[in-house]
Amino acid sequence: GENVEQHPSTLSVQEGDSAVIKCTYSDSASNYFPWYKQELGKRPQLIIDIRSNVGEKKDQRIAVTLNKTAKHFSLHITETQPEDSAVYFCAASGPLSGYSTLTFGKGTMLLVSP
Amino acid sequence: EAQVTQNPRYLITVTGKKLTVTCSQNMNHEYMSWYRQDPGLGLRQIYYSMNVEVTDKGDVPEGYKVSRKEKRNFPLILESPSPNQTSLYFCASTRLAGGTDTQYFGPGTRLTVL
Repeated sequence: GENVEQHPSTLSVQEGDSAVIKCTYSDSASNYFPWYKQELGKRPQLIIDIRSNVGEKKDQRIAVTLNKTAKHFSLHITETQPEDSAVYFCAASGPLSGYSTLTFGKGTMLLVSP
Repeated sequence: EAQVTQNPRYLITVTGKKLTVTCSQNMNHEYMSWYRQDPGLGLRQIYYSMNVEVTDKGDVPEGYKVSRKEKRNFPLILESPSPNQTSLYFCASTRLAGGTDTQYFGPGTRLTVL
């Protein structure tokens, strides 16, 4: 099955800096790559996603890039703010015996200091 | 309001006492899934369902059962809970049968097995 590796496990930045979280996946057939943000005590919520037919997607201060050849994708957050502090999960989904399932990375705890 | 609900939100039980965690969605989604979240391990899929009466194992199915008799409901059953099933459980649903779309998570159920 799919295997998703996520780095780093923790990331501390100063407010206003940029943050980058990287993920690699193993199944070359995976075609959907979402990122979820989970604030303390809350449920994961989708913040951005990308499909394998595009290389980059941007939404205000967040962007995701995908390199299909190298099988890795990254989340970029610019001008970080304290409210960006949370755990971020990457995931990959692709066909498996005719169906698809979502495999998550182990998460990155982002701490943004004022 | 479109939502995924889970009950109970918190549960403390003892080893061997059967329990059921309910999950319901009001978005007419085909795909539903159960995850468990443990520190340092991220979100791991327990079972998923592509549609009514169609269920399949995820990465960590041992000790769990599910059923999908109606489209909106996807209960998680622990026939004989053990302490290693102490975890935070999330139900999720998505529009597309392949799971390759936004997954909406329920609020979570924190289970403690003594």
